[in-house]
Amino acid sequence: DQQVKQNSPSLSVQEGRISILNCDYTNSMFDYFLWYKKYPAEGPTFLISISSIKDKNEDGRFTVFLNKSAKHLSLHIVPSQPGDSAVYFCAALYGKLTFGQGTILTVHP
Amino acid sequence: GAVVSQHPSWVICKSGTSVKIECRSLDFQATTMFWYRQFPKQSLMLMATSNEGSKATYEQGVEKDKFLINHASLTLSTLTVTSAHPEDSSFYICSARDKAPEAFFGQGTRLTVV
Repeated sequence: DQQVKQNSPSLSVQEGRISILNCDYTNSMFDYFLWYKKYPAEGPTFLISISSIKDKNEDGRFTVFLNKSAKHLSLHIVPSQPGDSAVYFCAALYGKLTFGQGTILTVHP
Repeated sequence: GAVVSQHPSWVICKSGTSVKIECRSLDFQATTMFWYRQFPKQSLMLMATSNEGSKATYEQGVEKDKFLINHASLTLSTLTVTSAHPEDSSFYICSARDKAPEAFFGQGTRLTVV
């Protein structure tokens, strides 16, 4: 039972453009959502989070949007840079973190 | 962000031996630590959750006698893979958090059992 889903395995974007990474969840009890960035053979790096009582959180080039009615969140990266190329995981928290499958983002120069 | 250090970053061991992996929170007190396993091209699979001073809570399907977790202090948790077999070869990652929702991850340990 996949409670957190990232339906796009990969995303390719031109440098300078916007990257939009999507995530859907099924458990309405999740009270916090987080995005992590991961390189191969390394642990995930925390990027940004949002409480379930908010609908937007912004930190520099990263913005996370939460639509509770649709049980959907997204991460916007503007402008995208080649160094953003990595695997991005969304995670939802209710006692413990549940991760999506990840989306491979490639930003082309 | 907070720093979590995991050691070793890689280890090769013979089948039947045990391997210990350490996870330390360097600049905060981790009330809760988590151990994950990641298979190639897959998501992170939670193995167990440990709170300082109490027994770990294992996820369904994870053998507690095989994966021994100790969380003896607020800054250190260890995972011991006992009697390792080739199928235990994987990438193991710890994470730690205090009271805040954000969890911070170690660098991961690549275990290869030969």
